[in-house]
Amino acid sequence: DAKTTQPTSMDCAEGRAANLPCNHSTISGNEYVYWYRQIHSQGPQYIIHGLKNNETNEMASLIITEDRKSSTLILPHATLRDTAVYYCIVRVAGGNQGGKLIFGQGTELSVKP
Amino acid sequence: GAVVSQHPSWVICKSGTSVKIECRSLDFQATTMFWYRQFPKQSLMLMATSNEGSKATYEQGVEKDKFLINHASLTLSTLTVTSAHPEDSSFYICSARGPGLAGANEQYFGPGTRLTVT
Repeated sequence: DAKTTQPTSMDCAEGRAANLPCNHSTISGNEYVYWYRQIHSQGPQYIIHGLKNNETNEMASLIITEDRKSSTLILPHATLRDTAVYYCIVRVAGGNQGGKLIFGQGTELSVKP
Repeated sequence: GAVVSQHPSWVICKSGTSVKIECRSLDFQATTMFWYRQFPKQSLMLMATSNEGSKATYEQGVEKDKFLINHASLTLSTLTVTSAHPEDSSFYICSARGPGLAGANEQYFGPGTRLTVT
């Protein structure tokens, strides 16, 4: 699976949008971009995923560049409960034959009052 | 989202004993389950992948005789740490994926099991 590069840490003010970047310059055409987050001492939580179109759900928006070499996860109105480590992962999808989720170091997001 | 549970949430055992951790998918059939390990201040490391009714596939460097994985049903996988030692103390997290989930591509994680070997 392709590797991703994320900043080690970021701060965000409560109520503001948090924009978390991810570089995946070696992504293959059949690989999706996934975002998970892990709040301290809990299991990772699925946030969103996409292939090439921008995606939005109740948690976040995912913006993927046209060349698919980078993406940005947007939390539109960050709250203190969004403080977590955010992981950007690329993997092949496709039902049960999809690739493994391999976690990098992620971005530690701190939302401050 | 789909729910994955783990039991126990934490366990303390003595060195040399074995401990079993259960992972259950509560509202979907998990055709594939994954086991991860996480040391303090580190990322998750994939240990093995198991498909229901098949032998698990272990990642490089993970001892299959030490970490026994059984995935006998579509809702249950177990990880047994045999002859545990203090260096096996870690946070063990399972994950499950299966057909019928929204988008059929998400993978859901359990809450984790904290193992401490004394």
